Amino acid sequence: DVKVTQSSRYLVKRTGEKVFLECVQDMDHENMFWYRQDPGLGLRLIYFSYDVKMKEKGDIPEGYSVSREKKERFSLILESASTNQTSMYLCASHPPGGFTEAFFGQGTRLTVV
Amino acid sequence: KNQVEQSPQSLIILEGKNCTLQCNYTVSPFSNLRWYKQDTGRGPVSLTIMTFSENTKSNGRYTATLDADTKQSSLHITASQLSDSASYICVVSAFVAGNMLTFGGGTRLMVKP
Repeated sequence: DVKVTQSSRYLVKRTGEKVFLECVQDMDHENMFWYRQDPGLGLRLIYFSYDVKMKEKGDIPEGYSVSREKKERFSLILESASTNQTSMYLCASHPPGGFTEAFFGQGTRLTVV
Repeated sequence: KNQVEQSPQSLIILEGKNCTLQCNYTVSPFSNLRWYKQDTGRGPVSLTIMTFSENTKSNGRYTATLDADTKQSSLHITASQLSDSASYICVVSAFVAGNMLTFGGGTRLMVKP
C-alpha cells in the first residue's frame, strides 16, 4: 500500500513563528503536492513538485515556501505564521503520467493563535 | 480557468436509500476524473478513477459515470450505510506538467438511521 505520511495530525503555533510541515511518501513518486482545505473553499493547491529540487507555485503560494531535497520528502514552510493560515493541510503524491491515482496523507490541522 | 462544480453541497438521506452526487467540470485538456471520499478529519481516499473512454466504473456500492461530451460525472451510492457519511470530492486531472488536479468543493453526505 502506498503510504503518504504527514509528520503531525494537529499543530498549534503562535503568530510569527516559522512552521514546518513534513510529508513523506514511500512509493518513489515523482509528483508531490501541498494543499490547504477550508470549509466552503475545497482543496486549494499551494505548491507542487515534480522532481527533486523542483518546485512550482500553485494557486495560493503567498506566505508559503517548500523544499524537496529528497524524492520521498516534500516540506511546506510557513515563514511567519499568521492566523489566516489556520487550516487543514493535505499532502498528496502520485507517479508521473495521466492515468494514475493521487494518494493523500492524513492531514495536518494547523491552528495559529 | 479550470473549474469543477459539485452539487448538492450537502445531502441528508436515510440509511438504506440511494443517492446521486453530481460533478460538472471545465478542465482542459482532460486526462481523468476521480471521486474521493473524505471522512471528517482525514485525508481523501480514492473511490474511482475514470479516463476519457470510460462511461461507468463501479467500486462496491459506488458507481461513477462519466459523460466526456457534456463534461459531467455522477457518483451513485446504492443502499447507503451510516459509514457512507463523509464528504465526496470530484477531482479532474489535466494533461499538463505535474498532472494538475482541480478539485470540486465536495458534497457533504449525512446518512441517518
